[in-house]
Formats: sequence, C-alpha cells, structure tokens
Amino acid sequence: SQTIHQWPATLVQPVGSPLSLECTVEGTSNPNLYWYRQAAGRGLQLLFYSVGIGQISSEVPQNLSASRPQDRQFILSSKKLLLSDSGFYLCALGRGASSYNEQFFGPGTRLTVL
Amino acid sequence: KQEVTQIPAALSVPEGENLVLNCSFTDSAIYNLQWFRQDPGKGLTSLLLIQSSQREQTSGRLNASLDKSSGRSTLYIAASQPGDSATYLCAVRESGGSNYKLTFGKGTLLTVNP
Repeated sequence: SQTIHQWPATLVQPVGSPLSLECTVEGTSNPNLYWYRQAAGRGLQLLFYSVGIGQISSEVPQNLSASRPQDRQFILSSKKLLLSDSGFYLCALGRGASSYNEQFFGPGTRLTVL
Repeated sequence: KQEVTQIPAALSVPEGENLVLNCSFTDSAIYNLQWFRQDPGKGLTSLLLIQSSQREQTSGRLNASLDKSSGRSTLYIAASQPGDSATYLCAVRESGGSNYKLTFGKGTLLTVNP
C-alpha cells in the first residue's frame, strides 16, 4: 500500500521569508498529487494538483507555487510568506478519475507565519 | 459550484450510543463520496468510499449511505467508543470537468464521553 511522507512536520517562519514543503510518496507510481490547506474555520482548500512530472494546475490565486520534479515528489513553495499563509498543509494522492479511486492523505505540515 | 455541508458542527455523546453524522451536497453529479476521520493535528484517514452507483458501504461499526438524487449522505457509528472521538469529514468527487478534486465539508467534531 502507498505511504505519503511530509516534512517538516511543523514550521515557524517570519513574514517575508521563503518556504519549501516537501511531499514524497512510496508504494505507487504515476499518482495524481494534491496540496491542500486547512485553515481554522475554513475547511480544506485545494491549492494545487498534478497529474504527472512537471504538470501543475493551480486552483486559487496566491503567492504559493508547486513543482513536481519527480514522479513521487511534490513540492510547495513561496518566495515571500504572508501571515495568511499560516495553516495546516496536507499532501494527498489519488489515482485517476474512476469512481473507485480514493484519495489518501499524508500526516501534514503545520505552518505558522509570524 | 459544489458545496458540501455537514451537520451538526459538533456532537457530544455518551459511550455506547449509536449516532448519525450528516453530509449534504448541492450538485448530484458526483463520482463518489468519501468519509474521513481527522485526529487533532493529524492528517486525514479514509474511512469509507461510496461510489455514485452504490447506496451504502460498511466497515466494522461504520456504515455510510448515499442518496445521490437528494444530495445526502450519512455516516452511522454503532456502539460509539471514546476512541471514536475525532473530526469527521465528508468529501465529494465531482464527475465531469472537475473530476480530479474533492470538495470537503467543514466537518463534525465528535466527542464520545466515557
């Protein structure tokens, strides 16, 4: 079965600093990968998804970006963090659009921007 | 635009009680519906996946039903235990052009008191 790793687990960063969050998956190949953010009182929001290496789609305009340099690696980045970027960032994987396909989530990264 | 609503937002029950969590969605054109559990500070754990052609799924003490035409799903938990305490989230996967992503409700925070 597949495993999703995220690091770091927690991060405290000052406003204006850069960001790099990493997600790697094991036990599967060619997955769809997703970045979600969970902010207090707002539920889970899809930020980016990727169907393959170098293929990134953005769901919402923001100062974040994503990259997929390898099949099983998904990176979330920012050049300059905002206070509003604080939240719980979750990486997820899915396998295609079939109704049989579940999404599975990683353990998350708690980001606090001060 | 798909919207998912979960009622109640919070629920507190004594141990041993049977309970029902509700989820409703506005657009019935879905591939599937997934129920997740989230413990504080943790990622999401997939509990049950119901395909659009199914009416229910069972796993142990959990039973999820789906009425796609009315845009409703319920998660039934039998003989609740303190270890069931968590936030329960439902998410729908739309068919058509948005079939890559899940739309989440804000969750129901369940507390089972010993």
